[in-house]
Amino acid sequence: ETGVTQSPTHLIKTRGQQVTLRCSSQSGHNTVSWYQQALGQGPQFIFQYYREEENGRGNFPPRFSGLQFPNYSSELNVNALELDDSALYLCASSLRGAGGNTIYFGEGSWLTVV
Amino acid sequence: AQSVSQHNHHVILSEAASLELGCNYSYGGTVNLFWYVQYPGQHLQLLLKYFSGDPLVKGIKGFEAEFIKSKFSFNLRKPSVQWSDTAEYFCAVNAITGGGNKLTFGTGTQLKVEL
Repeated sequence: ETGVTQSPTHLIKTRGQQVTLRCSSQSGHNTVSWYQQALGQGPQFIFQYYREEENGRGNFPPRFSGLQFPNYSSELNVNALELDDSALYLCASSLRGAGGNTIYFGEGSWLTVV
Repeated sequence: AQSVSQHNHHVILSEAASLELGCNYSYGGTVNLFWYVQYPGQHLQLLLKYFSGDPLVKGIKGFEAEFIKSKFSFNLRKPSVQWSDTAEYFCAVNAITGGGNKLTFGTGTQLKVEL
């Protein structure tokens, strides 16, 4: 049990639609990241939020956007869905600070785009 | 940018066999290193981590890993695997570049342990 909760767990969307995925970070964690894990691959970093601002972004187009709220919960929004967006979306939380940081993952949201 | 290589994509072992999964990374600076495990249908779980200090780290379920800085490696080991270790294993690196926590994952190793 990591204390990171995500919703919904599964959803199906049609190509061109928009989707919002939600994440509640572990208590006390001020940094949230989102990852995309396609079938048979390792997770790929989408972006990270710290103190409600984007703080690093991977190789994903602008139609992937996010928000972090004052209570450190977060949303991932994907516009104009494409078939290749079908994947497991993972939220991860951590406490940003000096030295090492352990990153904890939620169970993920399975998105299928048809 | 950092990258992570996991050399074994699929490994099949018999119960009680010893396990070593290779992981190499490319980044010249300070790194944090992790091994995560993903059991079928479950989320990523942290097996072990290295931040600093003793390069031999021990994790849960009898796993250990050794950080060899000169080889940019962080191989995962277990002396005797069990059927319940069947899972996918991911090596990940967090390059320490000013406080951000961004993990770069390898492509994963699918381990199957046969009875």
